[in-house]
Amino acid sequence: DSGVTQTPKHLITATGQRVTLRCSPRSGDLSVYWYQQSLDQGLQFLIQYYNGEERAKGNILERFSAQQFPDLHSELNLSSLELGDSALYFCASSVPPAGLTFGAGSRLTVL
Amino acid sequence: AQSVTQPDIHITVSEGASLELRCNYSYGATPYLFWYVQSPGQGLQLLLKYFSGDTLVQGIKGFEAEFKRSQSSFNLRKPSVHWSDAAEYFCAVGERTGANNLFFGTGTRLTVIP
Repeated sequence: DSGVTQTPKHLITATGQRVTLRCSPRSGDLSVYWYQQSLDQGLQFLIQYYNGEERAKGNILERFSAQQFPDLHSELNLSSLELGDSALYFCASSVPPAGLTFGAGSRLTVL
Repeated sequence: AQSVTQPDIHITVSEGASLELRCNYSYGATPYLFWYVQSPGQGLQLLLKYFSGDTLVQGIKGFEAEFKRSQSSFNLRKPSVHWSDAAEYFCAVGERTGANNLFFGTGTRLTVIP
């Protein structure tokens, strides 16, 4: 158990819909990282939050947004979903001094 | 820009045989280096990491990796593969300063045959 909790584990929805993925980082960790894993793009860094503030941004689409709340959990919002958004979405916490520990992922299927 | 190359998409080895998975990186300076493993339908588990010092790094599950600065490589090895090692392996680099996010290679899928 990495200590990083992600919900839901699986999600099936239709094109054009909006979903929210949730992540709780390891206890005491102020950082949250979001990654997308798809067959054609591999593992892509989306965005990082640190103590509620956006810290770094990667290949995140404008249709996607994230936030980190005062209790440090984070949500990744995916809207106007397309077939190509079907992927595994991972959340991760920092492992000092460097590196990440990952949650089990949320598998999104867009039909 | 940083990049990570794993030239082997798929490798098949016999159980008990040795294994080497290749990883090359392109980066302005020596980054932090990592190997992760992903079993089917699972998340990513850290196998080992290199920050500095001894260039031969030991990890979990009997894996080791060697950092070679002159070759910009960080190859993963295991002397004797077990059937349970069948999985996808990812090499990753991380910046020594900055946001601590990692950049991953495309992965190598390992199949182990009896």
